[in-house]
Amino acid sequence: EPEVTQTPSHQVTQMGQEVILRCVPISNHLYFYWYRQILGQKVEFLVSFYNNEISEKSEIFDDQFSVERPDGSNFTLKIRSTKLEDSAMYFCASSVPTGGRGLNTGELFFGEGSRLTVL
Amino acid sequence: DAKTTQPPSMDCAEGRAANLPCNHSTISGNEYVYWYRQIHSQGPQYIIHGLKNNETNEMASLIITEDRKSSTLILPHATLRDTAVYYCTQGGKLIFGQGTELSVKP
Repeated sequence: EPEVTQTPSHQVTQMGQEVILRCVPISNHLYFYWYRQILGQKVEFLVSFYNNEISEKSEIFDDQFSVERPDGSNFTLKIRSTKLEDSAMYFCASSVPTGGRGLNTGELFFGEGSRLTVL
Repeated sequence: DAKTTQPPSMDCAEGRAANLPCNHSTISGNEYVYWYRQIHSQGPQYIIHGLKNNETNEMASLIITEDRKSSTLILPHATLRDTAVYYCTQGGKLIFGQGTELSVKP
């Protein structure tokens, strides 16, 4: 069964450092997403990406964050100058939307997450 | 932002049906309702989705009210492995609410 894969599974970094989290979405999917989950809290939407551009982003996704699909298979989340409060589990997801572009996301397939610890 | 509301927690006896409600009063006419669950800190897992009609798959059933402002996810014979946080979402909004923490007890 196809799956979304994420690397690294766990990364420890120093405050102020840059971090890149990588995701390989399911090959025929068209929409890509990043979510985060701070320990003990709910899953929070960060950004969605379609046709090589951001289609929607939350207020959490500020200038510190960026996403890229550099080579047609990987989908990356870059966090510049990490802060303590960026410590969280980051989930990548992908989907094939239904019901018209952007209206219905279709079933989201999630990866197992990358745990980021900022010291 | 679209907002769904769910009870924060529920208990269910093993083998009994678990009925998880969700209010989605701001849903638009062609938005689907999706349900996901998250077991421990794993990636969320898709369960089921629907538009107007009730739906059933190998995991669960989904009952949507006629006005589409609420729905109920039914796990017909809950097992201990169904203990998880269950989230309902509206179509293209990509927003997870607080979810319902379901505890299935022996």
